[in-house]
Amino acid sequence: DTGVSQDPRHKITKRGQNVTFRCDPISEHNRLYWYRQTLGQGPEFLTYFQNEAQLEKSRLLSDRFSAERPKGSFSTLEIQRTEQGDSAMYLCASSFFRGALNEQFFGPGTRLTVL
Amino acid sequence: DAKTTQPPSMDCAEGRAANLPCNHSTISGNEYVYWYRQIHSQGPQYIIHGLKNNETNEMASLIITEDRKSSTLILPHATLRDTAVYYCIVRVESGGGADGLTFGKGTHLIIQP
Repeated sequence: DTGVSQDPRHKITKRGQNVTFRCDPISEHNRLYWYRQTLGQGPEFLTYFQNEAQLEKSRLLSDRFSAERPKGSFSTLEIQRTEQGDSAMYLCASSFFRGALNEQFFGPGTRLTVL
Repeated sequence: DAKTTQPPSMDCAEGRAANLPCNHSTISGNEYVYWYRQIHSQGPQYIIHGLKNNETNEMASLIITEDRKSSTLILPHATLRDTAVYYCIVRVESGGGADGLTFGKGTHLIIQP
């Protein structure tokens, strides 16, 4: 399968714990995006990278959230001191940006439940 | 990015054309109309996009009004697998800055057998 992959698919954690999600983009895609989706709502943009550089961060990305893409390939999203309000689907997408419009291809998501 | 307005839900009979409307009355001249859909428990899937001309691909057709204030996504022969939430998104051509998509609540299309 050559699509965007995310790991784990499901995560249950207790409030106050730290969690980390991984996203592997489509090979050679230079942009990688993170979104969050709560029940009944559309996805909300969090941040994106072009290669290793984090180019945009939403105000939704609180200080407890940190994303990295150290080698310009896979990315991790860490949430520290999780809260019940962090329960959501975390979606990753990638695209090949070549100076204009670029389709974003989404992965299946990681569903986080904070107890 | 401009806001969009979509009906919350629609039904369509299997085999018929599904026409999904979207209003984007504040769209700017350099903003494109994109459509994505999200089947239950999956990530969103790109369908089609356009600027001002009508567009067609293997999945759907996109009809944009002449004043560009509204558009319609057409699935010509809907199947049960087309049941999903459909999102209409308006976005500018990306540069080195903002590139996050702004999703609304979309239209939940239910294809009836």
